[in-house]
Amino acid sequence: NAGVTQTPKFRILKIGQSMTLQCTQDMNHNYMYWYRQDPGMGLKLIYYSVGAGITDKGEVPNGYNVSRSTTEDFPLRLELAAPSQTSVYFCASSLPRQDEQFFGPGTRLTVL
Amino acid sequence: DQQVKQNSPSLSVQEGRISILNCDYTNSMFDYFLWYKKYPAEGPTFLISISSIKDKNEDGRFTVFLNKSAKHLSLHIVPSQPGDSAVYFCAASSNTGNQFYFGTGTSLTVIP
Repeated sequence: NAGVTQTPKFRILKIGQSMTLQCTQDMNHNYMYWYRQDPGMGLKLIYYSVGAGITDKGEVPNGYNVSRSTTEDFPLRLELAAPSQTSVYFCASSLPRQDEQFFGPGTRLTVL
Repeated sequence: DQQVKQNSPSLSVQEGRISILNCDYTNSMFDYFLWYKKYPAEGPTFLISISSIKDKNEDGRFTVFLNKSAKHLSLHIVPSQPGDSAVYFCAASSNTGNQFYFGTGTSLTVIP
């Protein structure tokens, strides 16, 4: 049972480039989340999904897109990278809406 | 607007003593609260939770107290151990939404 896995671990992007952050969970969780954590700040919710085919915006969705075609995968897409998107990104999953969330190890993204 | 606040960025305690981490929230609709622990370069891991129908929940060395009238919760760790040194986040949610709101974290250092 790998839990929640994220790839890549690190990435440096140039302004305007695009990339997809991958997230996979093997716990058959319905709920999945994407957060970003900036230095000295808490985790901010970007997007979440309550099941395959259903996604919704969180607190800070601008500049990002998501899709949820399967229960296992929840990729996060950055279309036009900006320096403000430099952050650590965490993916998480859970069963019931208010249950504990299981987090991946994070992706550290730098946009120069 | 930060709906969940942890006003102490850091805390140092001696091994064996009690650690008390505090968290305040502003949204009276929040009815479920969680504490997460985070080591460097890892994702947060769930520690303990409390529902608004309770004012205390205990799990081994960890106890969470909830004061709904003051919109305040605290995490007590007794006795503190060096392995408890980490960043602790509190998070809150309401049963009318699907989002968790995180505080900015408190970095705990337990001195041997």
